[in-house]
Amino acid sequence: RKEVEQDPGPFNVPEGATVAFNCTYSNSASQSFFWYRQDCRKEPKLLMSVYSSGNEDGRFTAQLNRASQYISLLIRDSKLSDSATYLCVAYNFNKFYFGSGTKLNVKP
Amino acid sequence: EPEVTQTPSHQVTQMGQEVILRCVPISNHLYFYWYRQILGQKVEFLVSFYNNEISEKSEIFDDQFSVERPDGSNFTLKIRSTKLEDSAMYFCASRPVQTDEKLFFGSGTQLSVL
Repeated sequence: RKEVEQDPGPFNVPEGATVAFNCTYSNSASQSFFWYRQDCRKEPKLLMSVYSSGNEDGRFTAQLNRASQYISLLIRDSKLSDSATYLCVAYNFNKFYFGSGTKLNVKP
Repeated sequence: EPEVTQTPSHQVTQMGQEVILRCVPISNHLYFYWYRQILGQKVEFLVSFYNNEISEKSEIFDDQFSVERPDGSNFTLKIRSTKLEDSAMYFCASRPVQTDEKLFFGSGTQLSVL
């Protein structure tokens, strides 16, 4: 079973739309969670950490549900520049487990 | 803003040759990692390094792979005898302390084995 699973997409949305991604993790002992953004052939870049209480950074909101072992990312008012692959990451004892990523295409 | 730097950005080699990929982690970081990403696939963990020794490694990191921190700044990944399936983007990453789990990546080395 994969440590972290994501819907690969692609999610094709118009500019201004709200889009949500979910991710599930298998290890209930995972300590921390993150969303990274990866542009084509570039390195992953940290977008935000994910907390049980939920956290918001501008147009981005992340949420963790430990009981159901899933993490979500909500993007409001999508911009063309949001087009990328979004990686869900679980951290457990010095190891980071990456999902395969969800591809987002924001269209004009 | 401090960043992880990797060299070279592209490396082309013949099958069976040795390659060394170089990384300079962020200066006050203590934990170092190598990941790889085959085109179109997920980011895969290779090895983690702390206090001048390997702390964990994956099944991918077999006897053909080794890591070194030869001085206070560089962190290298060596592949002794490259195979075609080693072709991938290799990312170095670092993070500051055990309690800070934010991982910072270098821009990667694209390795092509012919």
